[in-house]
Amino acid sequence: GAVVSQHPSWVICKSGTSVKIECRSLDFQATTMFWYRQFPKQSLMLMATSNEGSKATYEQGVEKDKFLINHASLTLSTLTVTSAHPEDSSFYICSAEGTGVGQPQHFGDGTRLSIL
Amino acid sequence: GENVEQHPSTLSVQEGDSAVIKCTYSDSASNYFPWYKQELGKRPQLIIDIRSNVGEKKDQRIAVTLNKTAKHFSLHITETQPEDSAVYFCAALGAAGNKLTFGGGTRVLVKP
Repeated sequence: GAVVSQHPSWVICKSGTSVKIECRSLDFQATTMFWYRQFPKQSLMLMATSNEGSKATYEQGVEKDKFLINHASLTLSTLTVTSAHPEDSSFYICSAEGTGVGQPQHFGDGTRLSIL
Repeated sequence: GENVEQHPSTLSVQEGDSAVIKCTYSDSASNYFPWYKQELGKRPQLIIDIRSNVGEKKDQRIAVTLNKTAKHFSLHITETQPEDSAVYFCAALGAAGNKLTFGGGTRVLVKP
């Protein structure tokens, strides 16, 4: 149980392109999902908390107009990197919190984004 | 906000030996502490967790201890095997919300 699917797993695109990443909870409903960014050999940095049916909460220093988050259903959250540039290249990972109080977060497989 | 420090950053052990990773946290109200294992290019996988009302938890070769007074918790891996080689992250969940704060990670290498 508690499977989180993330798609696509790898994206290579030109500078200026917008890229959408999907995060789905496959066997449970997730009112809250999280988006992280991970640079090589570094830890996971929380970018934003995605809440179903409401606006995402962004961490300090994360541009909400740059990283658009939509959580339209209890099983799907999307992150759109708008007008991506080489400095946006990174590993993006989503996670979903299991149902019930105090449930652990389960992570998707991550998306490796490379902007040329 | 919460700050989590993790040591060491790298750890090399001989197969069969034990490995210990330590983390400290700053928010005394934090009440949930998971440990994740991440292999290269893959997702972090939850391997064990502990809540603030428990001092120790064990699952086969893995154990976690928590000292709330000192605000530190540790991961213990016994009888290490080459497949234990990975990056391990500790994390802490503050009582105020549901955000996890991660430590910097420990790269563990188990030498056969």
